[in-house]
Amino acid sequence: QKEVEQNSGPLSVPEGAIASLNCTYSDRGSQSFFWYRQYSGKSPELIMSIYSNGDQEDGRFTAQLNKASQYVSLLIRDSQPSDSATYLCAVNKNAGNMLTFGGGTRLMVKP
Amino acid sequence: KAGVTQTPRYLIKTRGQQVTLSCSPISGHRSVSWYQQTPGQGLQFLFEYFSETQRNKGNFPGRFSGRQFSNSRSEMNVSTLELGDSALYLCASSATKGGYTFGSGTRLTVV
Repeated sequence: QKEVEQNSGPLSVPEGAIASLNCTYSDRGSQSFFWYRQYSGKSPELIMSIYSNGDQEDGRFTAQLNKASQYVSLLIRDSQPSDSATYLCAVNKNAGNMLTFGGGTRLMVKP
Repeated sequence: KAGVTQTPRYLIKTRGQQVTLSCSPISGHRSVSWYQQTPGQGLQFLFEYFSETQRNKGNFPGRFSGRQFSNSRSEMNVSTLELGDSALYLCASSATKGGYTFGSGTRLTVV
């Protein structure tokens, strides 16, 4: 079992719809959770951080964390073609700054 | 504010050679992490440095090494290059836990 798992996709949604991306992690001691967006040929960019159970909202993005279920999700409302990218879930489980990344979910938003 | 600067952007090396990659973090960031990204394995953690000390190390052979200088700049070295070392090497700096800013990466090709 991988430490951080994501469906590789592609996840295809129409423009204006809600895109829902999911991530599960195996270490119950994980403390911090992040979503990164990576466009093709570019480096990952941090879009959301979440540290406690519940929802964290920033503009069109909402991160949801459920530590009991070891589950993190990212909702993108009013999806735009410019949201088409690979979304990486990352988990910090130790005292340092080491992140373990999932394999990423490729999102395609169709006009 | 300058971002994370990685040099060189592209590198072609021959098997058996060694290579040194450089990373200048965002000013004030003391944590520098290195990742290897390949299509098959995704983003894999190499090591993290904080205040010139290696704080975390990933599961890579000893051919991969790194260091951090007093000005927080970091280098990573790969000795005795193998074809499988061909990858995008990403450096990330952070002032807080997990809030990485990635550099543009160094694309290493081993022939």
